[in-house]
Amino acid sequence: DTGVSQNPRHKITKRGQNVTFRCDPISEHNRLYWYRQTLGQGPEFLTYFQNEAQLEKSRLLSDRFSAERPKGSFSTLEIQRTEQGDSAMYLCASSVRQGPFSNTGELFFGEGSRLTVL
Amino acid sequence: QQQVKQSPQSLIVQKGGISIINCAYENTAFDYFPWYQQFPGKGPALLIAIRPDVSEKKEGRFTISFNKSAKQFSLHIMDSQPGDSATYFCAAIRDGTASKLTFGTGTRLQVTL
Repeated sequence: DTGVSQNPRHKITKRGQNVTFRCDPISEHNRLYWYRQTLGQGPEFLTYFQNEAQLEKSRLLSDRFSAERPKGSFSTLEIQRTEQGDSAMYLCASSVRQGPFSNTGELFFGEGSRLTVL
Repeated sequence: QQQVKQSPQSLIVQKGGISIINCAYENTAFDYFPWYQQFPGKGPALLIAIRPDVSEKKEGRFTISFNKSAKQFSLHIMDSQPGDSATYFCAAIRDGTASKLTFGTGTRLQVTL
């Protein structure tokens, strides 16, 4: 399977604990995105990388959240001191930059990592 | 700030019927409008997309109708099938924003036999 892979698929943690999610994008994709999806809502943009550079972060991404993409390959999303409000599905997506003025809007999403904070 | 409003929240259609989902946007800078389909336990997947220079795009049983002056667009699923049962999200993006999609809130479609 050459799609976007996310691990773990499910994570249950106690409030105050740290969690880390990993995303392996489609190999030739140079852009990687993190979105958050809560029940009954559409995905909300968190951050994105162009290769290893983190180019944009949403205001939704508090100081407790940090994302990395070392060497422009896989990415990790860490949430420190989790809160119950962090419970959500964390979706990773990747795409190919087709040019400075080209947006196909086609993101390839993984199956997500569901976080439950007790 | 919800920039893309989607309705209805849920929809039940009989097999063979037409499913219609509507979206409205506020930001006139948006210039690409994809629809994503999401099955339970899966990530969203691109279904069909349209640019505002055309009023309609059809791919198989799926059609997007676009009304630029009203800032509205809709998804029509003809001959709806039980396998179409999923959650559908409209989305919008402004060129130059690196595929940072703004999604609607989703419509849960159930196609009954």
